[in-house]
Amino acid sequence: GAVVSQHPSRVICKSGTSVKIECRSLDFQATTMFWYRQFPKQSLMLMATSNEGSKATYEQGVEKDKFLINHASLTLSTLTVTSAHPEDSSFYICSAQSSGRSNTGELFFGEGSRLTVL
Amino acid sequence: GQSLEQPSEVTAVEGAIVQINCTYQTSGFYGLSWYQQHDGGAPTFLSYNALDGLEETGRFSSFLSRSDSYGYLLLQELQMKDSASYFCAVRDTDYNYGQNFVFGPGTRLSVLP
Repeated sequence: GAVVSQHPSRVICKSGTSVKIECRSLDFQATTMFWYRQFPKQSLMLMATSNEGSKATYEQGVEKDKFLINHASLTLSTLTVTSAHPEDSSFYICSAQSSGRSNTGELFFGEGSRLTVL
Repeated sequence: GQSLEQPSEVTAVEGAIVQINCTYQTSGFYGLSWYQQHDGGAPTFLSYNALDGLEETGRFSSFLSRSDSYGYLLLQELQMKDSASYFCAVRDTDYNYGQNFVFGPGTRLSVLP
């Protein structure tokens, strides 16, 4: 099956610093990638939809200047949490949809990145 | 607005059958997916229904009724490893280059010996 790699899996940073999370589709092209945030024992909240070569579409309430998303190629999307604060601590998960399987209802998820801001 | 409802918790014993329901109200509807997520892990795809009816994949089956805005996931011959959270997700848009999914709150399944 399709593999999505997300890195880093865990990151601890000081308040005020920026953190970059990478999401790569290893064996398929992903024209669309999604970024989610998940709090403990809660659902996945869609933050933004990222299309290759264009600006990301952010969900209502998500600060685009705070969560910078770049989708520079068909296999890589990055999420940068700028000037991180403790309330940004969370589990961030990316998912990708194979351009060749856009009608299957199947998303391939990365392993997630647990961000802790001190 | 978008809303999906699922039971928060379900408990069953090994070997039993359990059904997890999902009702939805979304601005658009193109299909209903189900995902399994173990603690600390990534969600993994289980099934997808775009049309009414039952889809069977091994021990797991999924059902959809578009007229009732309702679906369910049926897990048979439960095993301990099935203990996880299960999410329904509605594909509510059809972008040119992708699909948007809205996830339900999740159902935590505990399988007892």
